[in-house]
Amino acid sequence: QVQLQESGPGLVKPSETLSLTCTLSGGSMNGYYWSWIRQPPGKGLEWIGCIYYTGSTNYNPSLKSRVTISVDTSKSQFSLELNSVTAADTAVYYCARVVPGIGPDYWGQGTLVTVSS
Amino acid sequence: DIVMTQTPLFSPVTLGQPASISCRSSQSLVLSNGNTHLTWLQQRPGQPPRLLIYDISNRFSGVPDRFSGSGAGTDFTLRISRLEAEDVGTYYCTHVTQFPYTFGQGTKLEIK
Repeated sequence: QVQLQESGPGLVKPSETLSLTCTLSGGSMNGYYWSWIRQPPGKGLEWIGCIYYTGSTNYNPSLKSRVTISVDTSKSQFSLELNSVTAADTAVYYCARVVPGIGPDYWGQGTLVTVSS
Repeated sequence: DIVMTQTPLFSPVTLGQPASISCRSSQSLVLSNGNTHLTWLQQRPGQPPRLLIYDISNRFSGVPDRFSGSGAGTDFTLRISRLEAEDVGTYYCTHVTQFPYTFGQGTKLEIK
């Protein structure tokens, strides 16, 4: 059974870097895109970006200048870094497996990250 | 970027009655190979989203057959034949046709 689990600080100060890791269990990273998606409180979903298991990345243009997604297949993990955060980056951050041509079929439970001093 | 627009944004439905959600994309989602990668997600309160329908009309594993999808090109519809209490939540359309992926605003289904 594929499971994804986000981990990282729940509180980040403005102007600092948000860092999250997603750990995969019960499956292989091969053949899939691995994505970060966020949801501000009470709002809809926003795609942040994704990384193919080979390491190629695609980012939301609105966040591209601040986002880095990386993968470590030996640890079955992929990570998100979002720099220069503001209160507008406060959200539940989800990691998800994306099947090419189908979409996000497995999701983590999500982790709330609050940006506040 | 492809903009996904859903209507309605809020829908009160009676248990046992049908529900319908529309999704329109700002450009055709049809690929050169004929495939259309339009996907529907369900998000129950307090839960992560769950994949319901992919490629317009294919139900994902474990999805009840009261859920169905239809459409083509730029106009798509998710239908629930008979609303059950567990169907309460927010539904999103999304595409995985090209980067960046984008989501509709979400449609909140509630019991009338």
